[in-house]
Amino acid sequence: DVKVTQSSRYLVKRTGEKVFLECVQDMDHENMFWYRQDPGLGLRLIYFSYDVKMKEKGDIPEGYSVSREKKERFSLILESASTNQTSMYLCATAGAKNIQYFGAGTRLSVL
Amino acid sequence: AQSVTQPDIHITVSEGASLELRCNYSYGATPYLFWYVQSPGQGLQLLLKYFSGDTLVQGIKGFEAEFKRSQSSFNLRKPSVHWSDAAEYFCAVGTSGTYKYIFGTGTRLKVLA
Repeated sequence: DVKVTQSSRYLVKRTGEKVFLECVQDMDHENMFWYRQDPGLGLRLIYFSYDVKMKEKGDIPEGYSVSREKKERFSLILESASTNQTSMYLCATAGAKNIQYFGAGTRLSVL
Repeated sequence: AQSVTQPDIHITVSEGASLELRCNYSYGATPYLFWYVQSPGQGLQLLLKYFSGDTLVQGIKGFEAEFKRSQSSFNLRKPSVHWSDAAEYFCAVGTSGTYKYIFGTGTRLKVLA
């Protein structure tokens, strides 16, 4: 089974803090994704990566950056957290079959 | 532009009743189609997928979906709902040539005992 692990289930941060959300997969997948999920808006793609050190902006990249130094790990970075970034963040991976597998999510609250 | 519409935000059914969740998409070519389920506080789990071939696909947990090209639809069905099916359901379209999906806004299912 594909395993996608997000390092934290819940995070509480202060406005202006730098926040790191980590995602690790064990299936050697080339493609990894970060989504944001908000009620009534579904999942919106923030960034995705199709190889190590390669990244591409999704639909809502503003206020976020990413890092992929190793194939199995994809990090989402909030350079200066703001209250409007309070949300559920989901990481996913996809291999050759174009099926995305999701982690359990990180619920981030920015106070 | 590509899009996915799930017209029902909430659906309530009684346990044992049949279920149909609607999904319509807009995409220029034959899409890859997916249904995912999300239990409260959890990530998304793949229920079923359509890439090509037989337009009626079977998934896990007794779900099935039918691809209707003429209606640009991929509706999810289950003949008899169980209380454990209460969750949020997402339809998604995958674009060929990339691994990106477009998700619908979800349908939240409530099951009455």
